Amino acid sequence: GAGVSQSPSNKVTEKGKDVELRCDPISGHTALYWYRQSLGQGLEFLIYFQGNSAPDKSGLPSDRFSAERTGGSVSTLTIQRTQQEDSAVYLCASSLALAGGHGDEQYFGPGTRLTVT
Amino acid sequence: GNSVTQMEGPVTLSEEAFLTINCTYTATGYPSLFWYVQYPGEGLQLLLKATKADDKGSNKGFEATYRKETTSFHLEKGSVQVSDSAVYFCALSDPANNDMRFGAGTRLTVKP
Repeated sequence: GAGVSQSPSNKVTEKGKDVELRCDPISGHTALYWYRQSLGQGLEFLIYFQGNSAPDKSGLPSDRFSAERTGGSVSTLTIQRTQQEDSAVYLCASSLALAGGHGDEQYFGPGTRLTVT
Repeated sequence: GNSVTQMEGPVTLSEEAFLTINCTYTATGYPSLFWYVQYPGEGLQLLLKATKADDKGSNKGFEATYRKETTSFHLEKGSVQVSDSAVYFCALSDPANNDMRFGAGTRLTVKP
């Protein structure tokens, strides 16, 4: 079946512009995560959606970052007034998040490589 | 809050050497523990997992045992191959809310 997809795969933008990154999770997965992976760095948690609950936004680095998830499926990560330090690979993952949530594997998309010039 | 600390890299080994990548965690409850792997040019994928204390996860010759007493989940392999060259991430999942936290990643290079 289809895995997690992300678009675009690459995005080059000028400093100060806004960008939108899209994630299509696996059908039926109720949990969706966004991460940022900077060159040579680990995974930085950004935001987490679980069903209809309020998202966990504790990882968003500034108020220029926001995300939404429409209809419990597709998610969009928006970065306003981009800065050069925003350049990174943005990864999306989804999981089944079964009741109790124990041991659910996350399935990752291929990522969007964002370059801010 | 929950967090994961893993051994800093990079790690360079010769083929057939023994591998250990250390991982320790801090959690308020009883998390599930994971190792993910990212091969060059590919996305992250699950390598192995353990959901309760003393469980051992294993896959592709890799093993890790969930040690509650030492809050650790060290990754081991007895004989590494060149094809094991990748970045390895330790992670935990909080069963109360499915919140997931990753370590910084450890880059492994295996030379022939």
